[in-house]
Amino acid sequence: GAGVSQSPSNKVTEKGKDVELRCDPISGHTALYWYRQRLGQGLEFLIYFQGNSAPDKSGLPSDRFSAERTGESVSTLTIQRTQQEDSAVYLCASSRLKGSTEAFFGQGTRLTVV
Amino acid sequence: GQQVMQIPQYQHVQEGEDFTTYCNSSTTLSNIQWYKQRPGGHPVFLIQLVKSGEVKKQKRLTFQFGEAKKNSSLHITATQTTDVGTYFCASGNTGKLIFGQGTTLQVKP
Repeated sequence: GAGVSQSPSNKVTEKGKDVELRCDPISGHTALYWYRQRLGQGLEFLIYFQGNSAPDKSGLPSDRFSAERTGESVSTLTIQRTQQEDSAVYLCASSRLKGSTEAFFGQGTRLTVV
Repeated sequence: GQQVMQIPQYQHVQEGEDFTTYCNSSTTLSNIQWYKQRPGGHPVFLIQLVKSGEVKKQKRLTFQFGEAKKNSSLHITATQTTDVGTYFCASGNTGKLIFGQGTTLQVKP
């Protein structure tokens, strides 16, 4: 596709359930990022993948959060046992090279935990 | 860890007035990027600065990178209602892209 694609665009889940968010980066982009943006807040770094290197997981807020990426393709962010505090927009971005080139963002997944 | 601090958090201006947002770091930055996020939208890349003292212009927007590469600014001349949104600086020193807290600009027509 032409841009970064995220699915679903909206997700409402019950507290305690697991959710899986998907990101399709731009083809050929080696770097992929996940961010969390709470309402009216900034972009909170979660995790960063660069090619086949070990991901930088330093931003994951708890062990309920995990993410995977197969090669330089699709990534999934999984949140287990969701809490109301997890409600936010989860944004995925990809860039051609790590940290030094323009990052392209998807439209985000709006997660609401009820 | 690496942090970029951005001020102010909010700015309300009358249409036609100028606007500036500032980004500061305690460590030297290899580069600085600027993004704009319209209300309800996702961040969109505006520009990247790499060189010490670099100044770049995009129409009414002027971007500067400090001589010590520890600060940057975005200045908008004669704001318009289309400038409304949140402006973020970001830096990718260590590979991962870290964002400042953003400055939300409101423009009164």
